[in-house]
Amino acid sequence: TAGITQAPTSQILAAGRSMTLRCTQDMRHNAMYWYRQDLGLGLRLIHYSNTAGTTGKGEVPDGYSVSRANTDDFPLTLASAVPSQTSVYFCASSEISGLQPQHFGDGTRLSIL
Amino acid sequence: AQSVTQLGSHVSVSEGALVLLRCNYSSSVPPYLFWYVQYPNQGLQLLLKYTTGATLVKGINGFEAEFKKSETSFHLTKPSAHMSDAAEYFCAVNSNTGNQFYFGTGTSLTVIP
Repeated sequence: TAGITQAPTSQILAAGRSMTLRCTQDMRHNAMYWYRQDLGLGLRLIHYSNTAGTTGKGEVPDGYSVSRANTDDFPLTLASAVPSQTSVYFCASSEISGLQPQHFGDGTRLSIL
Repeated sequence: AQSVTQLGSHVSVSEGALVLLRCNYSSSVPPYLFWYVQYPNQGLQLLLKYTTGATLVKGINGFEAEFKKSETSFHLTKPSAHMSDAAEYFCAVNSNTGNQFYFGTGTSLTVIP
């Protein structure tokens, strides 16, 4: 089973350019999440969506936007990339209940130069 | 507010020795607790979870964790370390009133031959 698919796996991007990180799940989970992982800081929540058509801000939302047009897809957009957004980005999904764990993709490694 | 503290960003053990990774949480309501493992260049995988019931939880790969409410702890243990256990480990908490997960900053486990 595919689970969570993230694309691209890695990218080098010039500062000021825009980029969309793609995330697709095939588990029909209601909730989806975007995290960034930085050394010494663990995972920090950027945005989340509890169901299709709704989104919410996490701990570090500035500079990022998301949309949730359907259950399966949850793209993350950087409108104008800055070097501080260099990170590894993980998409995750879960059932709506907090009882259920999150399932993670393999991440996108993004370098902003 | 909820938070997770993982004591020790780096832990080294000899192969065959006991593994103990510490996790303390703060939560205003009874929490759901999770341990995840991350191997290099991969996403997080669920090791085990505590929701309700028995406080000693067994997970995959021989790991277990015990929920101690009086100590607000959920330490991860394994009786005998294997080389393949070398990875990053994350503790996470989710309250049963919401759907946001809070992660610790991670503990990197090194297993010495």
